[in-house]
Amino acid sequence: DSGVTQTPKHLITATGQRVTLRCSPRSGDLSVYWYQQSLDQGLQFLIQYYNGEERAKGNILERFSAQQFPDLHSELNLSSLELGDSALYFCASSVAGPPNEQYFGPGTRLTVT
Amino acid sequence: AQSVTQPDIHITVSEGASLELRCNYSYGATPYLFWYVQSPGQGLQLLLKYFSGDTLVQGIKGFEAEFKRSQSSFNLRKPSVHWSDAAEYFCAVGKAADKLIFGTGTRLQVFP
Repeated sequence: DSGVTQTPKHLITATGQRVTLRCSPRSGDLSVYWYQQSLDQGLQFLIQYYNGEERAKGNILERFSAQQFPDLHSELNLSSLELGDSALYFCASSVAGPPNEQYFGPGTRLTVT
Repeated sequence: AQSVTQPDIHITVSEGASLELRCNYSYGATPYLFWYVQSPGQGLQLLLKYFSGDTLVQGIKGFEAEFKRSQSSFNLRKPSVHWSDAAEYFCAVGKAADKLIFGTGTRLQVFP
């Protein structure tokens, strides 16, 4: 158990819908990262938050957004869902600064039908 | 461009045999290097990491990895594989407080 929790574990929804994925980082970790894992793209970085502020953006679609709340949990919002958004979404957390080892949650498997 | 290459998509070994999974990276400076393991339907578990110092690092579950700067490699090794090691292994690079760049993974199959 990494100490990072993600809910829900599975999500099945229809095209055009909107979903919210939730992540709680390890106690004391200020940084939260979101990654997408799909068969064709592999593991791709989406976005990073540090202590409530957006720190870095990767290959995140404009239909996707995220935020980190004062209690440090984070939510990833996916809207206008398409079939191609079906993937595993992972959240990871790390302490501030080096060494930046990231600990991953169990993931949320999103299926868009 | 920053990238990670895992040349072996799929490796099959017999239980008790030794294992080496290859990882090569392209990065502007000496990166932080990681190996993660993912069992089916599970998240990624950190096996080991290299930041600096001794180029041979020990990890959990009996794994070790060696950083070779001249070859831009960070290969993962285990002297004797157990059936429970069957999983997908990912090499990743990054720098402090930054995103990780992952390789495409190597799927390990272990035969009894």
